[in-house]
Amino acid sequence: KQEVTQIPAALSVPEGENLVLNCSFTDSAIYNLQWFRQDPGKGLTSLLLIQSSQREQTSGRLNASLDKSSGRSTLYIAASQPGDSATYLCAVPTQGGSEKLVFGKGTKLTVNP
Amino acid sequence: NAGVMQNPRHLVRRRGQEARLRCSPMKGHSHVYWYRQLPEEGLKFMVYLQKENIIDESGMPKERFSAEFPKEGPSILRIQQVVRGDSAAYFCASSGQDSYEQYFGPGTRLTVT
Repeated sequence: KQEVTQIPAALSVPEGENLVLNCSFTDSAIYNLQWFRQDPGKGLTSLLLIQSSQREQTSGRLNASLDKSSGRSTLYIAASQPGDSATYLCAVPTQGGSEKLVFGKGTKLTVNP
Repeated sequence: NAGVMQNPRHLVRRRGQEARLRCSPMKGHSHVYWYRQLPEEGLKFMVYLQKENIIDESGMPKERFSAEFPKEGPSILRIQQVVRGDSAAYFCASSGQDSYEQYFGPGTRLTVT
């Protein structure tokens, strides 16, 4: 059974700091991994999707890496800004290329001005 | 380019009433997923539908919950005889034919009084 864990559960940093969010999953036979952002009371915004054949994906100040063999992914945020404050969620398919996503509980990030 | 649309955004029902949640996928998307987010918990998969077909309902409670995605119109998640434990945020996501990437709507926040 696929399980996703995100560490830390909460993180508070000063503006401008570079930071890393961690995600681990138990079943490494996945086709992809997706990172989302959720603002309070809002829906999810897809940030990055990494295919299993890729090791990393970049979008602006965000860089996500994937190590399937160890069951881990990291989301790196460079030069953090107060607008980055949100909960970041990691999700993987339940198995292989399944369309059902299993989510971690998220990392709540606060960037202080 | 409209994203995934959900309505209503907020819904209040008394115990025993019915709740109907609607989801219109992104233009060109034919796959719809429903997820539920209980307070202080992660998102949990409920059901995956394509037009006129339920593909996977393994996450749906056995009783009172049903979902449909008709040939015309939005997908509907229906909860009969709601109870307090049904209070949650219900999110709909959609994806295209050739991509696993899921795009989420803003959610419907159901409160059962």
